[in-house]
Amino acid sequence: SQQGEEDPQALSIQEGENATMNCSYKTSINNLQWYRQNSGRGLVHLILIRSNEREKHSGRLRVTLDTSKKSSSLLITASRAADTASYFCATVPKAAGNKLTFGGGTRVLVKP
Amino acid sequence: DAGVIQSPRHEVTEMGQEVTLRCKPISGHNSLFWYRQTMMRGLELLIYFNNNVPIDDSGMPEDRFSAKMPNASFSTLKIQPSEPRDSAVYFCASRPSDRENTEAFFGQGTRLTVV
Repeated sequence: SQQGEEDPQALSIQEGENATMNCSYKTSINNLQWYRQNSGRGLVHLILIRSNEREKHSGRLRVTLDTSKKSSSLLITASRAADTASYFCATVPKAAGNKLTFGGGTRVLVKP
Repeated sequence: DAGVIQSPRHEVTEMGQEVTLRCKPISGHNSLFWYRQTMMRGLELLIYFNNNVPIDDSGMPEDRFSAKMPNASFSTLKIQPSEPRDSAVYFCASRPSDRENTEAFFGQGTRLTVV
């Protein structure tokens, strides 16, 4: 079974709006990572948040982590048409060393 | 560095044939991952290596699948015999394993179609 699960599965917004997606996971983690995938391409790393961090920013991206609820959120502010992609969370469980597993992803469509 | 390099980019084969997918990780990265992506099952971790040694192959679907890493700069994923349900995009990724909080770098994937 997958460690992380994203919600919603799909999201459609207008350019300029904010996009928020959530990730829940099952076991204690070392860190949680968010990746982006454009259609037909490989995944690209966006941001990593460690288990002892609660919030992190990178440009228009804001990630939160709540280890008590085993959940994370990714916020994209002032979205652009170029943000259209699938977004995945990935976790490195504490008990599994280097194992990096992904959730099912959120497909984001930003309409111009 | 050119990044993680996978070959071929596309592969079409007939059911029953052997398929070999290849991956060259980023130099200096000692962890390598093989993933399979389908619409139905999402992105599944098949197997990962640390320092050329397979650590966890619990995601390998069945005995028809095998993976090797003969050296630090090369890995293969083999399917023998292939079946139509193996059709998917297969990704290879690498990262440094000696640093805990690092990201993975993905190749562009191999799109496999088994007819």
